[in-house]
Amino acid sequence: AQKVTQAQTEISVVEKEDVTLDCVYETRDTTYYLFWYKQPPSGELVFLIRRNSFDEQNEISGRYSWNFQKSTSSFNFTITASQVVDSAVYFCALSVKYGGATNNLIFGTGTLLAVQP
Amino acid sequence: DTGVSQDPRHKITKRGQNVTFRCDPISEHNRLYWYRQTLGQGPEFLTYFQNEAQLEKSRLLSDRFSAERPKGSFSTLEIQRTEQGDSAMYLCASSQATIRFYTFGSGTRLTVV
Repeated sequence: AQKVTQAQTEISVVEKEDVTLDCVYETRDTTYYLFWYKQPPSGELVFLIRRNSFDEQNEISGRYSWNFQKSTSSFNFTITASQVVDSAVYFCALSVKYGGATNNLIFGTGTLLAVQP
Repeated sequence: DTGVSQDPRHKITKRGQNVTFRCDPISEHNRLYWYRQTLGQGPEFLTYFQNEAQLEKSRLLSDRFSAERPKGSFSTLEIQRTEQGDSAMYLCASSQATIRFYTFGSGTRLTVV
């Protein structure tokens, strides 16, 4: 079975602090993709990053960085120097490949990030 | 066409009524997905289409739910005899079959009173 766990339900930080959102996944598949999405109060899901299971290189995009570790089945997301506009719910998701077809996304329960001014 | 469109954005209905939502995917995307998101939870998969074929349905998709994608373009999700437990955000996403990149619409928020 596939599963994504985001143990942090809510995190509150003060602006300019760094914050790390944790994501742990479970799958028996060797080929899979991991994603992070941002959901602001307006409701749409905004794509942040996609990482495939064969690429464990960490990635940095501006203030955002991601740490993918297959050994611990984790795909953590760090925001450096957080800003009020980062306040949102962040979802980690998993997409597995089986039967030759890539299927749906499996989401975690999300982490609500509140950045205080 | 720069994104996935969903209509309506909000729907309030009385229990027992039928409702229908529409999703227009990105035109070159042949896969279309429906998800349901309840308050405080992550989106949960309902069903997906490749072109006009409905290839998978979740156990969450009860007999009161039906989805169609008749011409392989837009899709509709109908809920018959709505119940209060159907109150949720219904999200649509699309992708190309060979590319694991999913674009989501803004969702339809359903409230059953």
